Amino acid sequence: KQEVTQIPAALSVPEGENLVLNCSFTDSAIYNLQWFRQDPGKGLTSLLLIQSSQREQTSGRLNASLDKSSGRSTLYIAASQPGDSATYLCAVLQNMKTSYDKVIFGPGTSLSVIP
Amino acid sequence: GAVVSQHPSRVICKSGTSVKIECRSLDFQATTMFWYRQFPKQSLMLMATSNEGSKATYEQGVEKDKFLINHASLTLSTLTVTSAHPEDSSFYICSARDLSGGGPYNEQFFGPGTRLTVL
Repeated sequence: KQEVTQIPAALSVPEGENLVLNCSFTDSAIYNLQWFRQDPGKGLTSLLLIQSSQREQTSGRLNASLDKSSGRSTLYIAASQPGDSATYLCAVLQNMKTSYDKVIFGPGTSLSVIP
Repeated sequence: GAVVSQHPSRVICKSGTSVKIECRSLDFQATTMFWYRQFPKQSLMLMATSNEGSKATYEQGVEKDKFLINHASLTLSTLTVTSAHPEDSSFYICSARDLSGGGPYNEQFFGPGTRLTVL
């Protein structure tokens, strides 16, 4: 059974710092991994999607890497800003083999960037 | 990216009533839609997979008679919470898979969510 974990559960940093969020998954039979942002009481905003054949994706100050063999992904945020404060979720699209493919979410990392 | 809408965005109802939530793919067709539930300070948990023209597949522990799912067209899936109780209060989010890319690599696009409060 696929399990997705995220470390740390919560993180507080001063504005301007670079930071790394970690995501681990136990089953490497995935099609892709996606990072989302969720603001309190709101829906999901997709940040980056990495296909299983890719190593990394970049968008602006965000860089996500994927090491499928070790079951790890990192989200790197450069020069953090107060507006980056949110919960960050990673999710894998799981190859279920005998049933419909599923997206399985990690528990999230709550980020607070202090001005 | 493709757009998924949900309606309503918020609903407050009395205990014992039924509530219907709609999920629409606005600019693409989706044979498969997914329904998630998120309790406060928790992550999203998959409830069921909705397939156009066939019965939904429910995750273990989700009561299919309580959470009725209908996927009548390639752009619309509905979730009906029947005889709602306060413990059903939650944030419900749907997602849809875009067919245009083909194959299992398609990204899933998420709706903005529906906040259900049962009094």
